[in-house]
Amino acid sequence: ETGVTQTPRHLVMGMTNKKSLKCEQHLGHNAMYWYKQSAKKPLELMFVYNFKEQTENNSVPSRFSPECPNSSHLFLHLHTLQPEDSALYLCASSQKADLSYNEQFFGPGTRLTVL
Amino acid sequence: GQNIDQPTEMTATEGAIVQINCTYQTSGFNGLFWYQQHAGEAPTFLSYNVLDGLEEKGRFSSFLSRSKGYSYLLLKELQMKDSASYLCAVRDRITGGGNKLTFGTGTQLKVEL
Repeated sequence: ETGVTQTPRHLVMGMTNKKSLKCEQHLGHNAMYWYKQSAKKPLELMFVYNFKEQTENNSVPSRFSPECPNSSHLFLHLHTLQPEDSALYLCASSQKADLSYNEQFFGPGTRLTVL
Repeated sequence: GQNIDQPTEMTATEGAIVQINCTYQTSGFNGLFWYQQHAGEAPTFLSYNVLDGLEEKGRFSSFLSRSKGYSYLLLKELQMKDSASYLCAVRDRITGGGNKLTFGTGTQLKVEL
């Protein structure tokens, strides 16, 4: 257990569905991240939130919409996804996002399949 | 941008030593991380290097040469449970402030009897 939880662990959705992924960290950290991990590809950073403010968006399509209501919770809202969006979506947290060494703690991930 | 290269797969014998290399090209290097990821699980932090040299932590050590854009992860006294993917990640400073962390594709290590 890393102190970062994600729900659901598995999700199957159609291209017209709307769903949300949830991440919660119990470590008192101030930065939270969404990553996408596809088969045979490097881990891709999607979004970074630092003190609830989005500080990075790595050219992610608008069908992915993040939300960070407080430093402990992070959501990823999904709508009109494509089959190529099927991947493992990982949430991570760290003490702070920038300027200094900060170890990231990862959640177990949500395995998303888009039909 | 960044270019991170590491071998796709390696095989080693239980009890042996294995070295996993990572080379990178970056414009504003600000640290290198190694993570371990077992199949179906989240990555877990192993080590961090920002200065040249060797960092030792139990059976695992990580080395960095900034001038060569090179790092390696050394695993000693290999155990079957060390079979996993090992991810090299490089952080570099970005224009306007802040850092960006980019991961390599990972090296799948298989430990055999």
